[in-house]
Amino acid sequence: KAGVTQTPRYLIKTRGQQVTLSCSPISGHRSVSWYQQTPGQGLQFLFEYFSETQRNKGNFPGRFSGRQFSNSRSEMNVSTLELGDSALYLCASLRQGGTEAFFGQGTRLTVV
Amino acid sequence: QKEVEQDPGPLSVPEGAIVSLNCTYSNSAFQYFMWYRQYSRKGPELLMYTYSSGNKEDGRFTAQVDKSSKYISLFIRDSQPSDSATYLCAMGGNTNAGKSTFGDGTTLTVKP
Repeated sequence: KAGVTQTPRYLIKTRGQQVTLSCSPISGHRSVSWYQQTPGQGLQFLFEYFSETQRNKGNFPGRFSGRQFSNSRSEMNVSTLELGDSALYLCASLRQGGTEAFFGQGTRLTVV
Repeated sequence: QKEVEQDPGPLSVPEGAIVSLNCTYSNSAFQYFMWYRQYSRKGPELLMYTYSSGNKEDGRFTAQVDKSSKYISLFIRDSQPSDSATYLCAMGGNTNAGKSTFGDGTTLTVKP
């Protein structure tokens, strides 16, 4: 059974640019959550999507957005990048019921 | 005050030792509890998932939950060098099923 696939694995962007990250969940899972991981703040919840609808949202500015497609694949977008957005962005695929979370390898974003 | 506090470590033990990792929480709405292992530059790997107070065992790992004290633990028996990683506790409630709140992690080193 394939795991959670995140692309790309690494990204380097310049301040002010925007970026789109992709996540393909485990087959059969309909819920996807996104997290930001930094050394100073740890793992912080960004948002969760279920059946193409945002169900939960964390305390991040509006520059962070996401969406989910009918095949459960999800994307997150960060606009007007700031240096502080440098982090490991993790996607979690959630088992039916939405509690057990299985993570991908993450996308490491560096903003310069 | 953070909702989830995790013993910060780092922790260094000899091979074969019993390791105890601990988290406390303040939110009574938390109903499910997870432990993850994260190797450097990898995504978190789900080790244990529990939904009730008591003990759950899986091989060398035992998860313990005490909801009355708002305290959870992960015990690793016969620790191996391959157990060297950062361990994260996570928890959530049914009302926000897709959102988990994480501890900051404890870095464990098992020395041969």
